[in-house]
Amino acid sequence: KAGVTQTPRYLIKTRGQQVTLSCSPISGHRSVSWYQQTPGQGLQFLFEYFSETQRNKGNFPGRFSGRQFSNSRSEMNVSTLELGDSALYLCASSLGQGNDEQYFGPGTRLTVT
Amino acid sequence: AQSVTQLGSHVSVSEGALVLLRCNYSSSVPPYLFWYVQYPNQGLQLLLKYTSAATLVKGINGFEAEFKKSETSFHLTKPSAHMSDAAEYFCAVSDISGGSNYKLTFGKGTLLTVNP
Repeated sequence: KAGVTQTPRYLIKTRGQQVTLSCSPISGHRSVSWYQQTPGQGLQFLFEYFSETQRNKGNFPGRFSGRQFSNSRSEMNVSTLELGDSALYLCASSLGQGNDEQYFGPGTRLTVT
Repeated sequence: AQSVTQLGSHVSVSEGALVLLRCNYSSSVPPYLFWYVQYPNQGLQLLLKYTSAATLVKGINGFEAEFKKSETSFHLTKPSAHMSDAAEYFCAVSDISGGSNYKLTFGKGTLLTVNP
């Protein structure tokens, strides 16, 4: 079974631009969560989607948004990029029922210049 | 809000020695607890999870962790370190509020170095 895939793996953007990251979950998984990882703040939860609905949200500004499609694939968008948005963005998928574990993708490394 | 504290941002051990990585959590209700490992330029891999079935949890690669409610701890151990264990380890707790178990709060991580 293929794992969680994230595209692109690396991205360089300029301040003020917007960016869209993509995550394809493991086949059969309906929950997708997004996390931001930075050296200063560590791993922080962004949001979780289940069956195309946002089920939980972290404490990030509205510039960070996401969505999930009917095939469970998910995208996250960051508008008006700031230097502080430079981070590794990780996506995790799970069945979404109860306490099953989350499987993480390799991440997208975003650099904002 | 839940929080996780990992004591020691960097732990160094010799190959064959005991590995002990410390994690304390704050939670008013019994949480779900996890240990993840991250190798350079990779995502997170689940080592083990506690979901109240048993206080001693065995994971992959010879790791185990013991849940101690009285100490609000969930320390990770491995009897004998191997060079391939060198990585960063994260303890996490799930926030079960809002009907979802999938919001994880992570500790700051512990970088494990294994010396030959």
